[in-house]
Amino acid sequence: GAVVSQHPSRVICKSGTSVKIECRSLDFQATTMFWYRQFPKKSLMLMATSNEGSKATYEQGVEKDKFLINHASLTLSTLTVTSAHPEDSSFYICSASSGSAADTQYFGPGTRLTVL
Amino acid sequence: DQQVKQNSPSLSVQEGRISILNCDYTNSMFDYFLWYKKYPAEGPTFLISISSIKDKNEDGRFTVFLNKSAKHLSLHIVPSQPGDSAVYFCAASRTDSWGKLQFGAGTQVVVTP
Repeated sequence: GAVVSQHPSRVICKSGTSVKIECRSLDFQATTMFWYRQFPKKSLMLMATSNEGSKATYEQGVEKDKFLINHASLTLSTLTVTSAHPEDSSFYICSASSGSAADTQYFGPGTRLTVL
Repeated sequence: DQQVKQNSPSLSVQEGRISILNCDYTNSMFDYFLWYKKYPAEGPTFLISISSIKDKNEDGRFTVFLNKSAKHLSLHIVPSQPGDSAVYFCAASRTDSWGKLQFGAGTQVVVTP
């Protein structure tokens, strides 16, 4: 099946710094990528949808200036957590899709962010 | 506002027996439902889906049942195998907002020998 990678898998940073997470589709072109956040023992919450070459669409309650998303190519999307604070600590997962049906979304392995 | 709920955080089942995972939703606009399986340190992988025009979909050992009037779906795994031990997520979407998935909190399944 299609493979989606995320880098880094884990990151620990100091409060106030910015962290960039990469999401890559390795063997297919992803016209749409999604970014999710998962709190412990909670469901995955969709943060934003990004289409290649256009601005991301953020879900209600997600600060777009806090979580910068760039989808510069058909195989790469990045999520930058700016001026990170401890409450931003979470598990971030991306997914990528090339199709038109919901079941063609392929998920990355996730990135564990810890902000000290 | 949790629109998709999996009320059982964990399930233990003996190998060879049936695993039944339940999922409830509150938004009647959802018309497509999916089940994902997730191993530790990996992303969710798609298992099976069902459209709201159906009430059952079967794929090998996996069957999903949908009861629209009750806003309830279930995933049956039979027979359960040790490799089925994972976290299972239920997800729902609307055709008019394709790709936007609402996930449940997941159910940890442990299949014992």
